[in-house]
Amino acid sequence: KQEVTQIPAALSVPEGENLVLNCSFTDSAIYNLQWFRQDPGKGLTSLLLIQSSQREQTSGRLNASLDKSSGRSTLYIAASQPGDSATYLCAVRKRSFNYLQETSGSRLTFGEGTQLTVNP
Amino acid sequence: DTGVSQNPRHKITKRGQNVTFRCDPISEHNRLYWYRQTLGQGPEFLTYFQNEAQLEKSRLLSDRFSAERPKGSFSTLEIQRTEQGDSAMYLCASSPRGTGGYEQYFGPGTRLTVT
Repeated sequence: KQEVTQIPAALSVPEGENLVLNCSFTDSAIYNLQWFRQDPGKGLTSLLLIQSSQREQTSGRLNASLDKSSGRSTLYIAASQPGDSATYLCAVRKRSFNYLQETSGSRLTFGEGTQLTVNP
Repeated sequence: DTGVSQNPRHKITKRGQNVTFRCDPISEHNRLYWYRQTLGQGPEFLTYFQNEAQLEKSRLLSDRFSAERPKGSFSTLEIQRTEQGDSAMYLCASSPRGTGGYEQYFGPGTRLTVT
């Protein structure tokens, strides 16, 4: 059974600081990994998707890396801003043995998230 | 707005009542997912549709829960005889057709409170 762990559970930093959020997963047979942002009481906003064949993805001040063999991903946020305050979730999608079946390989397994506070 | 929409956004019900939620996926997305999220936890998978076929259900989806996607477009999630433990955010997501690991796009969620 896939398990996803995110460290730290909470993080508070001053504005302008660069920071790294960590995600680890127990089963390296993944199809892809997705990072999300969730504001309090809201749905999830997709930030970055990394396919299993990729090492990293970048979007603006965000950079996500993937080391599938060690079961780890990091989300790097550069020059943090108060508007970055939110909960960040990582989720992995398991690889199906037969991609045409698209059964157990379709679900996302989420970590519990890292609650980030950026102080002005 | 062409994102995933969910209705209602909030639902308060008394224990024992039935509730139904609706999800409208992004147009032409043939895959639709339901997740449940309790406070302080990450979302947990409930069920998955490809077109109108329900291809996977989690063990979390007890016999009080039923989901449908009758025409392969919108989906409904019904909870019968609600219990206080059903209080959670119910999230719907969709992804496009084709093979490969496509992004799942989430709706704003329906927050259920069972009193």
